[in-house]
Amino acid sequence: DAGVTQSPTHLIKTRGQQVTLRCSPKSGHDTVSWYQQALGQGPQFIFQYYEEEERQRGNFPDRFSGHQFPNYSSELNVNALLLGDSALYLCASSLGQGNTEAFFGQGTRLTVV
Amino acid sequence: AQSVTQLDSQVPVFEEAPVELRCNYSSSVSVYLFWYVQYPNQGLQLLLKYLSGSTLVESINGFEAEFNKSQTSFHLRKPSVHISDTAEYFCAVSDGSQGNLIFGKGTKLSVKP
Repeated sequence: DAGVTQSPTHLIKTRGQQVTLRCSPKSGHDTVSWYQQALGQGPQFIFQYYEEEERQRGNFPDRFSGHQFPNYSSELNVNALLLGDSALYLCASSLGQGNTEAFFGQGTRLTVV
Repeated sequence: AQSVTQLDSQVPVFEEAPVELRCNYSSSVSVYLFWYVQYPNQGLQLLLKYLSGSTLVESINGFEAEFNKSQTSFHLRKPSVHISDTAEYFCAVSDGSQGNLIFGKGTKLSVKP
């Protein structure tokens, strides 16, 4: 079992650009959540996808959007990047919407310059 | 709204000493509680969780946490730490039905020889 895999591991983008991050959930999991972890902070919930729909959303602007595919993998898109979007982006997968155990990937380190 | 407070941002201890990492939460509903560990440049790994039942939960590597509803706490303890326990520890809460995790800001445990 490969667990939760994220790609790429590191990324450098320029202000104003757009970025797409990818996540493959743990085998058997159907729910994917995305979190942003700024330096020195705890992860903050961005949104959750279940059955290919955004089911919950945290306090993030519309520049942050996502998608879930029929195979349960997911993408996080961020438009019009700001310096403040620099962070570790974590994907977590779980079974069903109720969170009794979420498994996290290694994360994608995004640096905006 | 739910929130999590980790009272100590850094905890330095000597090897084989006991340690307690404190976590308090606020919520108006029943909650699930979690401790995650993050090693440098890695994602989050679930250490232990409280869903229901016994208020004392244990991990396979000697950590334990006790759910105290009256004090709204879920402190993490280990009677004797190892160098390899050096990491950042995050306490998190979920109301279960929604699935998103609310994290504290983390506590950096530094075990010195």
